[in-house]
Amino acid sequence: EDKVVQSPLSLVVHEGDTVTLNCSYEVTNFRSLLWYKQEKKAPTFLFMLTSSGIEKKSGRLSSILDKKELFSILNITATQTGDSAVYLCAVGTYNNNDMRFGAGTRLTVKP
Amino acid sequence: DSGVTQTPKHLITATGQRVTLRCSPRSGDLSVYWYQQSLDQGLQFLIQYYNGEERAKGNILERFSAQQFPDLHSELNLSSLELGDSALYFCASSGGDRLYEQYFGPGTRLTVT
Repeated sequence: EDKVVQSPLSLVVHEGDTVTLNCSYEVTNFRSLLWYKQEKKAPTFLFMLTSSGIEKKSGRLSSILDKKELFSILNITATQTGDSAVYLCAVGTYNNNDMRFGAGTRLTVKP
Repeated sequence: DSGVTQTPKHLITATGQRVTLRCSPRSGDLSVYWYQQSLDQGLQFLIQYYNGEERAKGNILERFSAQQFPDLHSELNLSSLELGDSALYFCASSGGDRLYEQYFGPGTRLTVT
């Protein structure tokens, strides 16, 4: 059965800290891995990764995929209270174009 | 604001009933995705439509069905509702050559009593 596992499930840090969120997966016919940020309501798209070893970057956020070891990390540097959210990882497959989400990592950034 | 609209925002109904949730994608987006998010199950992909045709299917129950109309809006029909169907239902859209960059609507909160 396809699995997407995120760790840690929750994390509390202080402003200015750097955090690393993990997403490991076991799926057949991997297509892509996506990261989303979910605050109060709807998830917002952060990154889509399809190739191993290529870092995607947006401001203080960056992400990289390792297709050999089947995981991805999301880094947030110089965290701010506005980064507090649930970060979701999703893996898309070629199996009927299915998409499987992890349970998310709840990040709390304290002032 | 993602540009994806969903109606209604909230829906309260009784077990055994049928409801229809509506989604309008961002202008120009051809794909619509439906998701269910509940406290114990997390975010679950239900179904995807692309330009009117079903493209992908996830963990969608037989009591649920969806369609996408020629104007690209989509409806998710939930029938024979059970208490466990209470959840937040999201619609997302994507388009162009970035099929997996999905933009989520604000969601419809369904409460089955």
